[in-house]
Amino acid sequence: AQSVTQPDIHITVSEGASLELRCNYSYGATPYLFWYVQSPGQGLQLLLKYFSGDTLVQGIKGFEAEFKRSQSSFNLRKPSVHWSDAAEYFCAVGEANSGNTPLVFGKGTRLSVIA
Amino acid sequence: GAVVSQHPSWVICKSGTSVKIECRSLDFQATTMFWYRQFPKQSLMLMATSNEGSKATYEQGVEKDKFLINHASLTLSTLTVTSAHPEDSSFYICSARDMTGNTEAFFGQGTRLTVV
Repeated sequence: AQSVTQPDIHITVSEGASLELRCNYSYGATPYLFWYVQSPGQGLQLLLKYFSGDTLVQGIKGFEAEFKRSQSSFNLRKPSVHWSDAAEYFCAVGEANSGNTPLVFGKGTRLSVIA
Repeated sequence: GAVVSQHPSWVICKSGTSVKIECRSLDFQATTMFWYRQFPKQSLMLMATSNEGSKATYEQGVEKDKFLINHASLTLSTLTVTSAHPEDSSFYICSARDMTGNTEAFFGQGTRLTVV
């Protein structure tokens, strides 16, 4: 069965510091991988996605993620965090070529940014 | 990019009444839509998969008579919370992928339901 693990429930970083949010997945075939961000009381916004090709993908708001098949990981990074990045971040995995299957989400990592 | 519109964004209702939440895909067709429930500071819990023209598929533990799902067209799915109780208060989010499956899931803005 598909599963996504986000080991860190809550991370606090200083503004301007670098950030890495961890995501590990379990999936039988080549996965589609996603990172979403959610601000309080809001829906989910896609940050970036990996389908195939270059394993380092660039997203919006200066985020990037690297797909490492050998480690079953898809960690999210940002070189310099801004206070507005404080939010909940969800990693998700989906089945390729299947619009009728839902994404499977990790439990999320809450990011706090301090001055 | 594709947009999923969810309405209303928030609703307050009295115990015992029913509330309908709409989810529309605005520029693509979705034979399948997904309904999630999110408790405070928790992840999204899949409630059901809504299939156009057929019955929804509910996840274990979700009462299908409590949460009625209708997917009458390729662009609209509705979730009706029947005989709502305070414990049904939550954040409900719908999602859809296009029919090819070669895209991410697009999410509605969510609906904050408060039952008083």
